[in-house]
Amino acid sequence: DTGVSQDPRHKITKRGQNVTFRCDPISEHNRLYWYRQTLGQGPEFLTYFQNEAQLEKSRLLSDRFSAERPKGSFSTLEIQRTEQGDSAMYLCASSLRADSSYEQYFGPGTRLTVT
Amino acid sequence: AQTVTQSQPEMSVQEAETVTLSCTYDTSESDYYLFWYKQPPSRQMILVIRQEAYKQQNATENRFSVNFQKAAKSFSLKISDSQLGDAAMYFCAYRGEDPPNNFNKFYFGSGTKLNVKP
Repeated sequence: DTGVSQDPRHKITKRGQNVTFRCDPISEHNRLYWYRQTLGQGPEFLTYFQNEAQLEKSRLLSDRFSAERPKGSFSTLEIQRTEQGDSAMYLCASSLRADSSYEQYFGPGTRLTVT
Repeated sequence: AQTVTQSQPEMSVQEAETVTLSCTYDTSESDYYLFWYKQPPSRQMILVIRQEAYKQQNATENRFSVNFQKAAKSFSLKISDSQLGDAAMYFCAYRGEDPPNNFNKFYFGSGTKLNVKP
């Protein structure tokens, strides 16, 4: 399978706990994105990496959120001290800079439920 | 900021019939890209079709075609010969041209849920 993969697919956690999600992009893609999607809404941009550099962060990404992409390969998104409002689907996508339209390929997402 | 509006939260179509999903957007840019993505239940989003704003010809991919009206900032998706497998959430998305040494993010609409009746 050469698509974007995400782990875990589902995560249930108690309020105040820390969680970490992983995204493995398509191997030759140098751009990686994180989105958050709540029920009945389209994905909202969180952050963007070009290779290992995090070049943009949304205002949605509070101080409790941190993302990394060491060595420009996989990426992790950590949420500290989770709140019920963090419950959402977290989507990862990747793209290849050489593609003129920068089509994004999405992973299956990690559904987070904070109880 | 750019906005993308999908005014139809849910639509239904009979199998083998044709359905059109609406999308409007707001931008001051002249060069940009528009996309329709499909998100089946519990599955990942996949690209259905894309349109480059500088191309006047409407994009077509098999049973899927778009009606791109640049002046009206409208980008509708037509699905012909609807199949049960077309049932999904459909998201319209906008992306501007990349500025130098940076990128333009995608803006998504709120989605239209398409039901296909056998």
